[in-house]
Amino acid sequence: DGGITQSPKYLFRKEGQNVTLSCEQNLNHDAMYWYRQDPGQGLRLIYYSQIVNDFQKGDIAEGYSVSREKKESFPLTVTSAQKNPTAFYLCASMVGKSGNTIYFGEGSWLTVV
Amino acid sequence: AQSVTQPDIHITVSEGASLELRCNYSYGATPYLFWYVQSPGQGLQLLLKYFSGDTLVQGIKGFEAEFKRSQSSFNLRKPSVHWSDAAEYFCAVGGNNDMRFGAGTRLTVKP
Repeated sequence: DGGITQSPKYLFRKEGQNVTLSCEQNLNHDAMYWYRQDPGQGLRLIYYSQIVNDFQKGDIAEGYSVSREKKESFPLTVTSAQKNPTAFYLCASMVGKSGNTIYFGEGSWLTVV
Repeated sequence: AQSVTQPDIHITVSEGASLELRCNYSYGATPYLFWYVQSPGQGLQLLLKYFSGDTLVQGIKGFEAEFKRSQSSFNLRKPSVHWSDAAEYFCAVGGNNDMRFGAGTRLTVKP
Protein backbone atom coordinates (compact mmCIF):
# COMPACT_ATOMS: atom_id res chain seq x y z
CA ASP A 1 0.00 0.00 0.00
CA GLY A 2 1.16 3.51 -0.72
CA GLY A 3 1.53 5.88 2.15
CA ILE A 4 3.66 7.71 4.65
CA THR A 5 5.32 5.72 7.41
CA GLN A 6 6.58 7.36 10.56
CA SER A 7 8.63 5.56 13.16
CA PRO A 8 8.78 5.07 16.00
CA LYS A 9 5.20 5.73 17.09
CA TYR A 10 6.30 6.40 20.68
CA LEU A 11 9.73 7.53 21.78
CA PHE A 12 11.18 8.52 25.12
CA ARG A 13 14.32 10.61 25.33
CA LYS A 14 16.46 11.75 28.19
CA GLU A 15 17.24 15.41 28.41
CA GLY A 16 20.41 16.33 26.52
CA GLN A 17 20.08 13.55 23.96
CA ASN A 18 19.44 13.91 20.27
CA VAL A 19 16.76 11.75 18.70
CA THR A 20 15.84 11.10 15.08
CA LEU A 21 12.30 10.52 13.84
CA SER A 22 11.96 8.61 10.62
CA CYS A 23 9.59 9.48 7.78
CA GLU A 24 9.36 7.40 4.61
CA GLN A 25 6.90 7.77 1.75
CA ASN A 26 6.32 5.56 -1.27
CA LEU A 27 3.92 7.94 -2.98
CA ASN A 28 6.62 9.42 -5.22
CA HIS A 29 5.79 12.83 -3.78
CA ASP A 30 8.18 15.69 -4.32
CA ALA A 31 7.55 17.77 -1.23
CA MET A 32 7.82 16.61 2.37
CA TYR A 33 7.06 18.40 5.61
CA TRP A 34 7.48 18.13 9.35
CA TYR A 35 4.94 19.63 11.72
CA ARG A 36 4.82 19.78 15.48
CA GLN A 37 1.54 19.57 17.37
CA ASP A 38 1.18 20.38 21.04
CA PRO A 39 -1.91 19.40 23.05
CA GLY A 40 -4.84 21.63 22.19
CA GLN A 41 -2.85 23.50 19.60
CA GLY A 42 -2.63 23.50 15.86
CA LEU A 43 0.16 22.35 13.62
CA ARG A 44 3.34 24.36 13.40
CA LEU A 45 5.72 23.93 10.49
CA ILE A 46 9.26 22.90 11.43
CA TYR A 47 10.93 22.22 8.08
CA TYR A 48 9.93 21.42 4.55
CA SER A 49 11.64 20.13 1.44
CA GLN A 50 10.50 20.45 -2.14
CA ILE A 51 13.33 18.56 -3.82
CA VAL A 52 16.13 16.22 -2.87
CA ASN A 53 19.13 17.81 -1.18
CA ASP A 54 17.21 21.00 -0.46
CA PHE A 55 15.06 22.09 2.48
CA GLN A 56 13.78 25.26 4.13
CA LYS A 57 13.08 26.31 7.67
CA GLY A 58 9.50 26.67 8.79
CA ASP A 59 8.20 28.72 11.67
CA ILE A 60 9.87 26.79 14.52
CA ALA A 61 13.08 25.30 13.11
CA GLU A 62 15.31 26.14 16.08
CA GLY A 63 16.55 23.00 17.80
CA TYR A 64 15.69 20.75 14.87
CA SER A 65 17.57 19.51 11.82
CA VAL A 66 16.60 17.55 8.72
CA SER A 67 18.11 15.93 5.66
CA ARG A 68 16.71 14.96 2.26
CA GLU A 69 19.20 12.62 0.67
CA LYS A 70 16.51 10.53 -0.99
CA LYS A 71 13.16 11.51 -2.43
CA GLU A 72 11.29 9.05 -0.24
CA SER A 73 12.95 9.90 3.07
CA PHE A 74 12.89 13.01 5.26
CA PRO A 75 14.18 12.28 8.79
CA LEU A 76 13.87 14.84 11.55
CA THR A 77 16.45 15.14 14.32
CA VAL A 78 15.37 16.74 17.57
CA THR A 79 18.53 18.07 19.13
CA SER A 80 19.35 18.85 22.71
CA ALA A 81 19.03 22.52 21.79
CA GLN A 82 15.25 22.13 21.51
CA LYS A 83 14.02 23.36 24.89
CA ASN A 84 10.55 21.81 24.88
CA PRO A 85 10.68 18.77 22.63
CA THR A 86 7.80 16.81 24.14
CA ALA A 87 5.12 16.87 21.43
CA PHE A 88 3.37 14.98 18.68
CA TYR A 89 5.29 15.13 15.39
CA LEU A 90 3.62 14.74 12.03
CA CYS A 91 5.31 14.08 8.73
CA ALA A 92 3.53 14.89 5.50
CA SER A 93 4.10 14.85 1.77
CA MET A 94 2.63 16.36 -1.35
CA VAL A 95 2.89 15.68 -5.05
CA GLY A 96 4.55 18.56 -6.85
CA LYS A 97 5.87 21.59 -5.06
CA SER A 98 2.77 23.57 -4.27
CA GLY A 99 -0.96 23.82 -4.50
CA ASN A 100 -1.84 20.19 -3.97
CA THR A 101 -3.17 18.07 -1.17
CA ILE A 102 -0.88 17.23 1.73
CA TYR A 103 -1.06 13.68 3.04
CA PHE A 104 -0.03 12.84 6.58
CA GLY A 105 1.61 9.99 8.39
CA GLU A 106 0.21 8.64 11.64
CA GLY A 107 2.55 10.72 13.78
CA SER A 108 5.22 10.10 16.39
CA TRP A 109 4.92 10.88 20.08
CA LEU A 110 8.13 12.16 21.64
CA THR A 111 8.39 12.44 25.40
CA VAL A 112 11.42 13.84 27.18
CA VAL A 113 11.98 12.30 30.59
CA ALA B 1 2.59 35.24 4.58
CA GLN B 2 -0.55 33.18 4.66
CA SER B 3 -2.34 32.52 7.93
CA VAL B 4 -5.47 30.79 9.11
CA THR B 5 -7.80 31.62 11.98
CA GLN B 6 -10.31 29.24 13.47
CA PRO B 7 -12.23 31.37 15.98
CA ASP B 8 -13.87 28.49 17.85
CA ILE B 9 -11.59 26.35 20.00
CA HIS B 10 -14.34 23.97 21.08
CA ILE B 11 -17.88 23.37 19.84
CA THR B 12 -20.51 21.05 21.26
CA VAL B 13 -23.51 19.98 19.22
CA SER B 14 -26.22 17.41 19.69
CA GLU B 15 -26.30 14.37 17.48
CA GLY B 16 -28.50 15.08 14.47
CA ALA B 17 -28.05 18.83 14.70
CA SER B 18 -26.40 20.89 11.99
CA LEU B 19 -22.78 22.01 12.25
CA GLU B 20 -20.76 24.93 11.00
CA LEU B 21 -17.06 25.36 11.76
CA ARG B 22 -15.57 28.72 10.93
CA CYS B 23 -12.32 29.41 9.12
CA ASN B 24 -10.85 32.73 8.02
CA TYR B 25 -7.65 33.04 6.06
CA SER B 26 -5.17 35.65 5.01
CA TYR B 27 -3.45 35.23 1.69
CA GLY B 28 -2.37 37.58 -1.06
CA ALA B 29 -3.57 35.57 -4.01
CA THR B 30 -6.21 32.95 -4.66
CA PRO B 31 -5.59 30.39 -1.95
CA TYR B 32 -5.73 26.67 -1.94
CA LEU B 33 -7.99 25.79 0.99
CA PHE B 34 -8.39 22.56 2.88
CA TRP B 35 -10.25 21.00 5.77
CA TYR B 36 -8.71 18.08 7.65
CA VAL B 37 -10.02 15.95 10.50
CA GLN B 38 -7.91 14.35 13.22
CA SER B 39 -8.90 11.63 15.66
CA PRO B 40 -6.94 11.50 18.94
CA GLY B 41 -3.35 10.36 18.48
CA GLN B 42 -3.72 9.97 14.74
CA GLY B 43 -2.63 11.77 11.62
CA LEU B 44 -4.83 14.12 9.67
CA GLN B 45 -7.33 12.99 7.05
CA LEU B 46 -8.43 15.25 4.21
CA LEU B 47 -12.14 16.07 4.23
CA LEU B 48 -12.27 18.41 1.26
CA LYS B 49 -10.33 21.00 -0.67
CA TYR B 50 -10.87 24.10 -2.80
CA PHE B 51 -8.54 25.04 -5.62
CA SER B 52 -10.76 26.91 -8.09
CA GLY B 53 -14.16 26.84 -9.76
CA ASP B 54 -17.37 26.17 -7.87
CA THR B 55 -17.15 27.84 -4.50
CA LEU B 56 -19.23 25.15 -2.78
CA VAL B 57 -17.20 21.98 -2.45
CA GLN B 58 -18.35 18.59 -1.31
CA GLY B 59 -16.19 16.30 0.76
CA ILE B 60 -16.23 12.94 2.41
CA LYS B 61 -18.50 11.92 5.29
CA GLY B 62 -21.23 14.34 4.21
CA PHE B 63 -19.21 17.51 4.80
CA GLU B 64 -19.22 20.56 2.55
CA ALA B 65 -17.50 23.93 2.62
CA GLU B 66 -18.09 27.25 0.93
CA PHE B 67 -15.36 29.60 -0.24
CA LYS B 68 -16.32 33.25 0.17
CA ARG B 69 -13.63 35.51 -1.22
CA SER B 70 -15.27 38.71 0.02
CA GLN B 71 -15.20 37.42 3.59
CA SER B 72 -11.91 35.50 3.33
CA SER B 73 -13.73 32.53 4.74
CA PHE B 74 -13.98 28.82 4.11
CA ASN B 75 -16.51 27.48 6.60
CA LEU B 76 -17.18 23.78 6.99
CA ARG B 77 -20.74 22.53 7.29
CA LYS B 78 -22.67 19.34 7.85
CA PRO B 79 -26.47 19.17 7.95
CA SER B 80 -26.72 16.37 10.51
CA VAL B 81 -23.89 15.45 12.86
CA HIS B 82 -23.19 11.84 13.86
CA TRP B 83 -21.48 10.77 17.08
CA SER B 84 -18.53 9.51 15.01
CA ASP B 85 -17.85 13.08 13.83
CA ALA B 86 -16.40 13.96 17.23
CA ALA B 87 -12.79 14.90 16.48
CA GLU B 88 -10.47 17.84 15.92
CA TYR B 89 -10.94 19.80 12.70
CA PHE B 90 -8.25 21.85 11.02
CA CYS B 91 -8.54 24.42 8.29
CA ALA B 92 -5.45 25.01 6.15
CA VAL B 93 -4.31 27.35 3.42
CA GLY B 94 -1.66 26.41 0.88
CA GLY B 95 0.45 28.63 -1.25
CA ASN B 96 3.52 28.40 -3.37
CA ASN B 97 5.84 26.89 -0.85
CA ASP B 98 4.10 25.47 2.15
CA MET B 99 0.85 25.05 4.03
CA ARG B 100 -0.37 26.78 7.16
CA PHE B 101 -2.90 25.33 9.56
CA GLY B 102 -5.34 26.91 11.94
CA ALA B 103 -5.26 26.05 15.64
CA GLY B 104 -8.11 23.62 15.21
CA THR B 105 -11.68 23.28 16.50
CA ARG B 106 -12.52 20.40 18.77
CA LEU B 107 -15.99 19.01 18.14
CA THR B 108 -17.92 17.23 20.87
CA VAL B 109 -21.17 15.48 19.98
CA LYS B 110 -23.81 15.05 22.65
CA PRO B 111 -26.14 12.04 22.51
